[in-house]
Amino acid sequence: AQSVAQPEDQVNVAEGNPLTVKCTYSVSGNPYLFWYVQYPNRGLQFLLKYITGDNLVKGSYGFEAEFNKSQTSFHLKKPSALVSDSALYFCAVRVTRDNYGQNFVFGPGTRLSVLP
Amino acid sequence: GAVVSQHPSRVICKSGTSVKIECRSLDFQATTMFWYRQFPKQSLMLMATSNEGSKATYEQGVEKDKFLINHASLTLSTLTVTSAHPEDSSFYICSASAIGQRNEQFFGPGTRLTVL
Repeated sequence: AQSVAQPEDQVNVAEGNPLTVKCTYSVSGNPYLFWYVQYPNRGLQFLLKYITGDNLVKGSYGFEAEFNKSQTSFHLKKPSALVSDSALYFCAVRVTRDNYGQNFVFGPGTRLSVLP
Repeated sequence: GAVVSQHPSRVICKSGTSVKIECRSLDFQATTMFWYRQFPKQSLMLMATSNEGSKATYEQGVEKDKFLINHASLTLSTLTVTSAHPEDSSFYICSASAIGQRNEQFFGPGTRLTVL
């Protein structure tokens, strides 16, 4: 089965410090990977995606993610965290299913708290 | 980026009534729209995939007669929760894929449904 795991429910980091939000995946074939952020009572906002090419992907708001095929990981990173980065982060993979077309499978989410 | 709107943003209704939620792609044509449900502190769960002009494809365990989906045009999909009950209270989020951009989904802001 195709799935996405985010091993940490909660990540706490001090403002100005680097942050990492972890994601591992299990898919057949080449993975199309995404990161989204969700603020309270809001929809998801796109941060970045990996389709092909360079393993290091740069996205919105200074975030980046590194695709590691051997470790089946796609960790989200930022060199210097801001208090405003505090939100819920979702890793997702696009999957193709017979008779269903294509859709996204989301990880359980990681809540990031950046402390001032 | 592409904008997806949802209406209403919040709705409170009595048990037994039906509620319609609209999802619109404002500046692009969406061949496919997706409906997700998100319970508190949980990830998004795909309910159904809606293709313009055809019947929606429902995920296993989602009652198609309870959650009616209509995708009548390339910019509008509706989800009707029929005979709503308190256990249907949730955050409903739609997303849309643009023509020729199947790698990405654009998410609406979500609709908070509370059934009393």
